[in-house]
Amino acid sequence: QVQLVQSGAEVKKPGSSVKVSCKASGGIFSSTAISWVRQAPGQGLEWMGWIIPMLGSPKFAQKFQGRVNIIADDSTSTVYMELNSLRSEDTAVFYCARGAPGDPQRFWGQGTLVTVSP
Amino acid sequence: SYVLTQPPSVSVAPGKTASITCGGNNIGTKSVHWYQQKPGQAPVVVIYYDRDRPSGIPERFSGSTSGNTATLTISRVEAGDEADYYCQVWESSSDEVVFGPGTKVTVL
Repeated sequence: QVQLVQSGAEVKKPGSSVKVSCKASGGIFSSTAISWVRQAPGQGLEWMGWIIPMLGSPKFAQKFQGRVNIIADDSTSTVYMELNSLRSEDTAVFYCARGAPGDPQRFWGQGTLVTVSP
Repeated sequence: SYVLTQPPSVSVAPGKTASITCGGNNIGTKSVHWYQQKPGQAPVVVIYYDRDRPSGIPERFSGSTSGNTATLTISRVEAGDEADYYCQVWESSSDEVVFGPGTKVTVL
C-alpha cells in the first residue's frame, strides 16, 4: 500500500524559506509523479507543481514559478518542496500527492501546516 | 490558464440527490476527477476519469460530463457526505493540474 508521510509543522518569518519533505513507501517511487498542493485556511486546493523522480525536471504552476522548487531523492524515496520569499498569504497546509498529472491523485500525505508570522 | 468553476455551496436534505457541477471550456474532452475533503483531512478521490468509482466509494456517487460541464451526483445523501468537493483536470497544453474552487455540501 502506498503511503506518503510528510514532515512536521513549521513556523517561519516573512521573507524566509521553508522546505517540506514527503517520504513515499510502497509502489515504485522513481516513475510516479508526486505533486504539491497548497490549501490556505478556509480556502480551496491549489496545485503548485510536480516531479517524476526518474526524470528529475519538475513542472511548476505559473503562479509559483520562480518561488518554488521541488526535488526528489531516490536514495530515500523522499520528495522535497521548498518555497522561498514567504509571505503571510503562504500560511497554509501543504500536501504532497501521488499520481501522474493526467491521473487522479490517489494517495495523499497527511499535510504540513506552515505558518508565516513576524 | 484553464479555469474551472463550481458553485460555492449546495444544500440537500438527507435521502435526496445532490448535484455538483464543474464548468470548464470543453471539459467534456478532458478527464475529470472528483475529490471529497472533510475538515482536517486530506482529499479523497470519489470519482476518477469522469465516471469511475474507486473501491470503497459507495455506488451513490456517480459522475458524468457533457460539453462544458462535468457533474458529480450523490444519490440518497447521508449526513456523512457533508464535505467540500473539488473537481480536477489536467490541462495538457500547459502541463498543469487544475482544481476547481470547491463546493461545500451541507446536509440539512
